[in-house]
Amino acid sequence: NAGVTQTPKFRVLKTGQSMTLLCAQDMNHEYMYWYRQDPGMGLRLIHYSVGEGTTAKGEVPDGYNVSRLKKQNFLLGLESAAPSQTSVYFCASSYILILYEQYFGPGTRLTVT
Amino acid sequence: AQSVTQPDIHITVSEGASLELRCNYSYGATPYLFWYVQSPGQGLQLLLKYFSGDTLVQGIKGFEAEFKRSQSSFNLRKPSVHWSDAAEYFCAVGAGTSGTYKYIFGTGTRLKVLA
Repeated sequence: NAGVTQTPKFRVLKTGQSMTLLCAQDMNHEYMYWYRQDPGMGLRLIHYSVGEGTTAKGEVPDGYNVSRLKKQNFLLGLESAAPSQTSVYFCASSYILILYEQYFGPGTRLTVT
Repeated sequence: AQSVTQPDIHITVSEGASLELRCNYSYGATPYLFWYVQSPGQGLQLLLKYFSGDTLVQGIKGFEAEFKRSQSSFNLRKPSVHWSDAAEYFCAVGAGTSGTYKYIFGTGTRLKVLA
């Protein structure tokens, strides 16, 4: 039981490049989330999903897209990376919206130059 | 607007001393409240949560938190800090319902423990 895993752990992009971050969970959780963590700003919700095939915008969705084609996977895409997207990205999953704890992955550190 | 405030960015305590980390929230209805801990280079781990009932909740690693509605606070406490408690601590509010969901984190408090 690996919990929540994220791929890759580190990545450096040049401005304008694209990439996809993969989040996988093996706990059969319905709900999955993508956050970004920036110094002094805590964690901010980018997008979330309440089930396979569904996604919704969070607090800071601009510049990101997501897909949930399989229940266990939640992908975060950057179509044209910008330096402002330099951050640590965390994926999380949970059984029931709000009521139960969110299980977090180890994070992906992304630098956009 | 809904918000979570952690007024202390950094706190330093000696090992064995007591600890209190402050958290204040702004939310119109009864909130769901959480404390998470993040060790360096790691993801977040849930310490404890409050949904309803007893306002003093116990968590893992000897932590507890008290919900005070009149003060809109959910402060985290530990009677005796261990060196391994050095980490960053986040308070969070879960609010809304399915389809209008928000999960709001505070900006965190970094704890340093002196030997």
